[in-house]
Amino acid sequence: QVQLVESGGGLVKPGGSLRLSCAASGFTFSDYYMIWLRQAPGKGLEWVSYISGSGSPINYADSVKGRFTISRDNAKNSLYLQVNSLRAEDTAVFYCARGGTTRAGYFDYWGQGTLVTVSS
Amino acid sequence: DIVMTQSPDSLAVSLGERATINCKSSQSVFYSSNNKNYLAWYQQKPGQPPKLLISWASTRESGVPDRFSGSGSGTDFTLTISSLQAEDVAVYYCQQYYSTPYTFGQGTKLEI
Repeated sequence: QVQLVESGGGLVKPGGSLRLSCAASGFTFSDYYMIWLRQAPGKGLEWVSYISGSGSPINYADSVKGRFTISRDNAKNSLYLQVNSLRAEDTAVFYCARGGTTRAGYFDYWGQGTLVTVSS
Repeated sequence: DIVMTQSPDSLAVSLGERATINCKSSQSVFYSSNNKNYLAWYQQKPGQPPKLLISWASTRESGVPDRFSGSGSGTDFTLTISSLQAEDVAVYYCQQYYSTPYTFGQGTKLEI
């Protein structure tokens, strides 16, 4: 069965960095777009970034462009999100999710999420 | 950006009754070349990630009970739960995947 397991979250000071990871299993990872989304405490869902199965194309929300970098290692069935220059408003649960094979589209499987807290 | 607006923000429905959640997009998410609406619905229970219920506005995912149905086209969409069960208490979100940035509605909290 499809499984997505995020890790790498934690408490970080404003301006700090983290590398989030998502380990995938149960499907042919390299065939699928993969996506990062986030949800601030008590708030709604926000799409952050996607990456195609081959690694290109990549796209970002304007709110994170220039600060976050998505990548993947198909040999390791892993998705990553390097988050830099963190701000208080980046505090959220970050989810990885699976998209489609030809476009990111809708998201049919989600991980449990990893919490990123930005605070001094 | 396409703005997704759900109504109502919260809804209380009795067990066994019908629940209807609306979603309106600021521009059409219908792609005429393939006759598809790029609209999905998700259910999120407390402490859990969202779960995909419906894609392409009306295609129910495998394993989703048939009391859940999606309808609509263009800019106006509806998620209907025909007979509310206790386990349906959750927040429901619509999402457009017609264009980036992919955007979600603000959520509708469904209670009994």
